[in-house]
Amino acid sequence: DADVTQTPRNRITKTGKRIMLECSQTKGHDRMYWYRQDPGLGLRLIYYSFDVKDINKGEISDGYSVSRQAQAKFSLSLESAIPNQTALYFCATSDSGGHTEAFFGQGTRLTVV
Amino acid sequence: EDQVTQSPEALRLQEGESSSLNCSYTVSGLRGLFWYRQDPGKGPEFLFTLYSAGEEKEKERLKATLTKKESFLHITAPKPEDSATYLCAVHGSSNTGKLIFGQGTTLQVKP
Repeated sequence: DADVTQTPRNRITKTGKRIMLECSQTKGHDRMYWYRQDPGLGLRLIYYSFDVKDINKGEISDGYSVSRQAQAKFSLSLESAIPNQTALYFCATSDSGGHTEAFFGQGTRLTVV
Repeated sequence: EDQVTQSPEALRLQEGESSSLNCSYTVSGLRGLFWYRQDPGKGPEFLFTLYSAGEEKEKERLKATLTKKESFLHITAPKPEDSATYLCAVHGSSNTGKLIFGQGTTLQVKP
């Protein structure tokens, strides 16, 4: 089983719909992240959380919200999806003990039509 | 502002033809430089962490090196299965806990 699991893996939704992407991890890490990846733009940070009560905006948080339901769960919501939110979304985790390498999920490919 | 620039954007090699990928960075207080491999449609897979200039790490045909301004990922005698996008990221003291990624180098190794 994957250490970082994202659901769904693929999703097509219509403009204006609300959609939630979910992430769960079994690594026991405190820190969780949501990134989006677009061709030519690399990985950009949307939101990050250092523990259940700590949520922070990344560089491109507009149009997104998150919820840290438990140490192991971190969900990303698009309140009203728009076509330029079509991208590959990744959840990642890292620990807080000095080793900051992040471990990524397999990604969610989201298409907004 | 922390920045990471990778070059080239794309690299085509023949099997066995060694080469290097470059990652130039600007960061206030480097706490770590990371290399990842990403296959199409999959999440990045962690390869190496380098913490200080002069440090080197090796794994199979890959060797990562670090100076105060850049890192190199050397690929020795590559095989087709080394084809992937290689991502570089930095963690700086002004971005506690966050990784800043470069745009990646897409490597294609032809048999």
